[in-house]
Amino acid sequence: GAGVSQTPSNKVTEKGKYVELRCDPISGHTALYWYRQSLGQGPEFLIYFQGTGAADDSGLPNDRFFAVRPEGSVSTLKIQRTERGDSAVYLCASSPRFEVGGYTFGSGTRLTVV
Amino acid sequence: AQRVTQPEKLLSVFKGAPVELKCNYSYSGSPELFWYVQYSRQRLQLLLRHISRESIKGFTADLNKGETSFHLKKPFAQEEDSAMYYCALSGGSSNTGKLIFGQGTTLQVKP
Repeated sequence: GAGVSQTPSNKVTEKGKYVELRCDPISGHTALYWYRQSLGQGPEFLIYFQGTGAADDSGLPNDRFFAVRPEGSVSTLKIQRTERGDSAVYLCASSPRFEVGGYTFGSGTRLTVV
Repeated sequence: AQRVTQPEKLLSVFKGAPVELKCNYSYSGSPELFWYVQYSRQRLQLLLRHISRESIKGFTADLNKGETSFHLKKPFAQEEDSAMYYCALSGGSSNTGKLIFGQGTTLQVKP
């Protein structure tokens, strides 16, 4: 595609529910990142995929968060038993290969847990 | 611990004035540093990286290892420079390419 696409752009869910956030990277990009941005803060790293495998998931805050990329393209970030503190903008980024820092971001999914 | 500090939440200048957005970092190895920018209603995008030693849209940034700083500068601010600016550091012992971001500085250029 022309850019990194994230859906939905906005998601409101009730505390305790399960949500899935989708990222469609630029075609051919093998590296994919998820970040979370809380209000007034910079983005915080969550997880990095190289191809289908999660090469670094050290940023996932707890076991309620999980992400997959089964075919090495689209990725889904899954959050179980959502809490109000999970409210944030979730950003996805991709790059053609492993490349330190120079990747293309999506416009994000704004998640609100009420 | 690896950390990026942007001490100013807001920097307000008049058009034509010089701009310096401050960034300090804490990192034990050889850092790679970046500036990202987010214009209103647009997505976060890379502005420049220290390793390229380039000037983008009139902005430059020099890595000062002695002062552990990577300040972003522009001699004459333009109204279209108004945006949110994030300094970022590459981190992770396994070189995964993940970035550690500062909290960001809003640059407001007044006419």
